[in-house]
Amino acid sequence: DQQVKQNSPSLSVQEGRISILNCDYTNSMFDYFLWYKKYPAEGPTFLISISSIKDKNEDGRFTVFLNKSAKHLSLHIVPSQPGDSAVYFCAASDAGGTSYGKLTFGQGTILTVHP
Amino acid sequence: EAQVTQNPRYLITVTGKKLTVTCSQNMNHEYMSWYRQDPGLGLRQIYYSMNVEVTDKGDVPEGYKVSRKEKRNFPLILESPSPNQTSLYFCASSLSGQGADTQYFGPGTRLTVL
Repeated sequence: DQQVKQNSPSLSVQEGRISILNCDYTNSMFDYFLWYKKYPAEGPTFLISISSIKDKNEDGRFTVFLNKSAKHLSLHIVPSQPGDSAVYFCAASDAGGTSYGKLTFGQGTILTVHP
Repeated sequence: EAQVTQNPRYLITVTGKKLTVTCSQNMNHEYMSWYRQDPGLGLRQIYYSMNVEVTDKGDVPEGYKVSRKEKRNFPLILESPSPNQTSLYFCASSLSGQGADTQYFGPGTRLTVL
């Protein structure tokens, strides 16, 4: 049972345009959400996060939006750059509960930004 | 440099031959965890440790063992590997294990069990 889903396995965008990566979750106990970025032959690296008390968090070119009623979050990258090409994982945790740091990950979306 | 290291990075072995994948972090983190990544499934937690001598099962613990005798090290042990344990493994650590703590991942170990 996949509690965090990224339904788009891949996304291709042109350099300078906006990239929008989507993520849906089913567990209403999740209250903290993160995006990780992964390059080939490397481990995932933290990109940006959002608490369930917010609906938007921004960090430079990256913005995460959270729609709790729809159990949906999205990552916007503006403008997209070729160096953004990577696999993006959405993850969720029950930060206020007893899940002890466990992150539940989505399947990942491969983003390709063309020059 | 703050980092999580794993060894080996690549390993090909045969069914039933015991192996250990090491993980070490130099950030004095209390929380450490092991994940496996499989196509179409994302990363799934195998085991985690809140501190020295404190470990617990994650979502997919079958066939794995762990130990936490020192704060910096968290080895993953496969006593009798099987082909369904062929996967990409990641070790991670965070300061305290609270859900909002940033987890830092190692570079991964690609394991093939023949």
